[in-house]
Amino acid sequence: ETGVTQTPRHLVMGMTNKKSLKCEQHLGHNAMYWYKQSAKKPLELMFVYSLEERVENNSVPSRFSPECPNSSHLFLHLHTLQPEDSALYLCASSPGTANTEAFFGQGTRLTVV
Amino acid sequence: LAKTTQPISMDSYEGQEVNITCSHNNIATNDYITWYQQFPSQGPRFIIQGYKTKVTNEVASLFIPADRKSSTLSLPRVSLSDTAVYYCLVGDEAGANNLFFGTGTRLTVIP
Repeated sequence: ETGVTQTPRHLVMGMTNKKSLKCEQHLGHNAMYWYKQSAKKPLELMFVYSLEERVENNSVPSRFSPECPNSSHLFLHLHTLQPEDSALYLCASSPGTANTEAFFGQGTRLTVV
Repeated sequence: LAKTTQPISMDSYEGQEVNITCSHNNIATNDYITWYQQFPSQGPRFIIQGYKTKVTNEVASLFIPADRKSSTLSLPRVSLSDTAVYYCLVGDEAGANNLFFGTGTRLTVIP
């Protein structure tokens, strides 16, 4: 248990569906992150939020839309995804963005059909 | 952004000490070096972080030479449960990009 909770753990969605991934941390951290990990590929940093402001958008398609309503919660809204978007989506948090230890959630295994 | 290079894979027998080296030739003055461990279908887990010389905690040691262009993660007496992917990360000067993961090193511990 890292203190970072992601829901759901597994999600199957059609290409026309709209769904959201949720991440929650009560560690008092100021930075939160979304990563994507496809099979046999390195983790890809998608978005970084610091103090609820987006500070990094790593060339992610607009069908992925992040939201950070407060420092404890982070969402990833999904719409019109493609099968190649199937992956493990990981959320992480850290005290700040500079040289600090990140705590990862267990991830959401997403399958797009 | 400081790029890191690690061996793709390593094998080791149980009970041996394992050393995984990471190269980061363009590390910046303010960068720290951080290592993570990841098991299949789980998020990475922080192992150790250092700036220079040697850092030791309950699970590993991190050796950093004076020029800081490389670092070595040392795992003492590995067990089967240490089979995982190990990532070396280096923070850049802006700080916001210090969580870019490379390909990592897949360690397989053999009975």
